[in-house]
Amino acid sequence: DQQVKQNSPSLSVQEGRISILNCDYTNSMFDYFLWYKKYPAEGPTFLISISSIKDKNEDGRFTVFLNKSAKHLSLHIVPSQPGDSAVYFCAASDGSGAGSYQLTFGKGTKLSVIP
Amino acid sequence: DGGITQSPKYLFRKEGQNVTLSCEQNLNHDAMYWYRQDPGQGLRLIYYSQIVNDFQKGDIAEGYSVSREKKESFPLTVTSAQKNPTAFYLCASSGPGHRVGGYTFGSGTRLTVV
Repeated sequence: DQQVKQNSPSLSVQEGRISILNCDYTNSMFDYFLWYKKYPAEGPTFLISISSIKDKNEDGRFTVFLNKSAKHLSLHIVPSQPGDSAVYFCAASDGSGAGSYQLTFGKGTKLSVIP
Repeated sequence: DGGITQSPKYLFRKEGQNVTLSCEQNLNHDAMYWYRQDPGQGLRLIYYSQIVNDFQKGDIAEGYSVSREKKESFPLTVTSAQKNPTAFYLCASSGPGHRVGGYTFGSGTRLTVV
């Protein structure tokens, strides 16, 4: 049972345009959501997070939107740059007890930014 | 500079052999984790440890073992009981505020069974 789903395995975007990566979740206990970026043969690096009490969080070119009622979040990258080409993972955390130490990851979306 | 060091970067193992992957951190983080990445599968949790001398099974612990004798170190042993060990293995650690700032990951070890 996949609790965090990234339904688009890949996405191609022109340089300078907006990239929108989507993520859906099923566990109502998730209360923190994070996005990671990963290059091949490297470990993921943290990008941005959002608490379930918010619906938007911005950090430079990166904005994460959360729609709790739809159990959906999205990462917007504006403007997209070739260096943004990577695999993006959505992750979620359940704040209750031992689960607060665990992140549940989606399968990732490979973003290609075309110059 | 603080971080997580995984070694080796590439590892080859013969079928039937046990092999140990190293993970060391100097971030003074209490919690450490092992994930496995397969193509198209995302990251799946193998084991995690919240404190020294304690660890818990993740979603895919069968065929793996860990130890946490020191805060800085969390080695993973891939045993011969692991049916499909060829994968990219990632170690991570987290401290207070990890739910906001996330985990810190190592650069990974690619294990290939030959």
